[in-house]
Amino acid sequence: EAQVTQNPRYLITVTGKKLTVTCSQNMNHEYMSWYRQDPGLGLRQIYYSMNVEVTDKGDVPEGYKVSRKEKRNFPLILESPSPNQTSLYFCASSLWLAGDTTDTQYFGPGTRLTVL
Amino acid sequence: AQSVTQLDSHVSVSEGTPVLLRCNYSSSYSPSLFWYVQHPNKGLQLLLKYTSAATLVKGINGFEAEFKKSETSFHLTKPSAHMSDAAEYFCVVQLGSWGKLQFGAGTQVVVTP
Repeated sequence: EAQVTQNPRYLITVTGKKLTVTCSQNMNHEYMSWYRQDPGLGLRQIYYSMNVEVTDKGDVPEGYKVSRKEKRNFPLILESPSPNQTSLYFCASSLWLAGDTTDTQYFGPGTRLTVL
Repeated sequence: AQSVTQLDSHVSVSEGTPVLLRCNYSSSYSPSLFWYVQHPNKGLQLLLKYTSAATLVKGINGFEAEFKKSETSFHLTKPSAHMSDAAEYFCVVQLGSWGKLQFGAGTQVVVTP
């Protein structure tokens, strides 16, 4: 089954304790992206990657890191989480089409993070 | 600067009546535009996309959207709302060719019997 998986689905942590949210897709997609969703703000893009070892900042990259060492995985790293990073996080993947456009994005189920 | 604006944060319709969700965008490039739907406690699902082919785009579940360059709009419509259409809808624009995407703030749709 084609899917994007995220782990963990729920996480409660404390300020300053490093954490990683994993994202994996089995569709051989070039493009992967992380978003955070906050009430009234919609989804805001954190980082995206157009292929292995190619990543770039979205609208809200501060406090986050990513890496893309393999095509299928795109982990999101919070080196020193703070309470303002409490949010619902989504990973997504898609094909990267000729003409430099993204195709349909497939979203993971979401990770609800609480930083105390 | 805001690149995509959803003009209504909430829309309430009666079952069987038309639905109109408004989206305006600003982009220096010929944009790729998408509408996604999010049902409660679910991930996002693509409804339809515009990528410079036909200006009237048909999507799933009876939704369609029209790209109007002169008005910089990409409004989503459905002729007859169904109870299952109650969800949050997001208009999305791809900014240029770098893969950066911007989401609107969302429109919450309520469908009453």
